[in-house]
Amino acid sequence: TQLLEQSPQFLSIQEGENLTVYCNSSSVFSSLQWYRQEPGEGPVLLVTVVTGGEVKKLKRLTFQFGDARKDSSLHITAAQPGDTGLYLCAGDSGGSNYKLTFGKGTLLTVNP
Amino acid sequence: DVKVTQSSRYLVKRTGEKVFLECVQDMDHENMFWYRQDPGLGLRLIYFSYDVKMKEKGDIPEGYSVSREKKERFSLILESASTNQTSMYLCATRENYGYTFGSGTRLTVV
Repeated sequence: TQLLEQSPQFLSIQEGENLTVYCNSSSVFSSLQWYRQEPGEGPVLLVTVVTGGEVKKLKRLTFQFGDARKDSSLHITAAQPGDTGLYLCAGDSGGSNYKLTFGKGTLLTVNP
Repeated sequence: DVKVTQSSRYLVKRTGEKVFLECVQDMDHENMFWYRQDPGLGLRLIYFSYDVKMKEKGDIPEGYSVSREKKERFSLILESASTNQTSMYLCATRENYGYTFGSGTRLTVV
C-alpha cells in the first residue's frame, strides 16, 4: 500500500507570514496533486505536478515536485485569512483507473 | 464547468436503516469514486467504478455496496447503517487533470 505523509498536521500562523507544507512518500508517483478543502465542502484541485523537479506557481502559492517524484511541497507567501483550509496532497501511481492515494492533510489557519 | 452533485448535504439515519447516497456528474466521465473522510484518518476509498455496471472495492468496502446503472450516476448504499459509519462522504469523478469532488454528504447514524 502506498502512503503519503503530510507535515505538519496543523499550522496556525498570522496574516503575512510564509509557510511550507510537505508531502513525502517512499513510493514513486507518476504525478502528484494538491487540493484545498474548506469546511463543509469537497476538496478543490489546485495543481497537478508531473515532472520530477517541476515547480508551478499559482499567485502566492508555489508547488514543487521532488526530483525522484516521491515528495512534494507547497509554499505560501504572505498568507492571508482566505488561505485557511485543509490542504491535501494526492499521488497518482498510474494505471487506467485513475485511483489516487491521499495524504491526511494539513489544516492551516491564518489569523488576521 | 464540471459539476458533481451529491443529493443531500446532511442526513440523519437510524441504526439498521438502509441508506442511499446519490451522486450525479454532468461530464460524461467514466471513472467515479466514493470516499469517506474522518478526522485523523483522511480520505479513504470505499468503492470506485470505471464504467457502467463495473465496480471495484477500495480500501474499506465492508458494510457498503454501490450501483452504477447509468454513466452519470453512482450510488453508495449502506446496507444496514451503523454508528461507526457516521462520517463525511465524498463522491468524485476524474479524467486526466484530476478529481472533481461533490460538496459532500455529512451522514450521522444514531
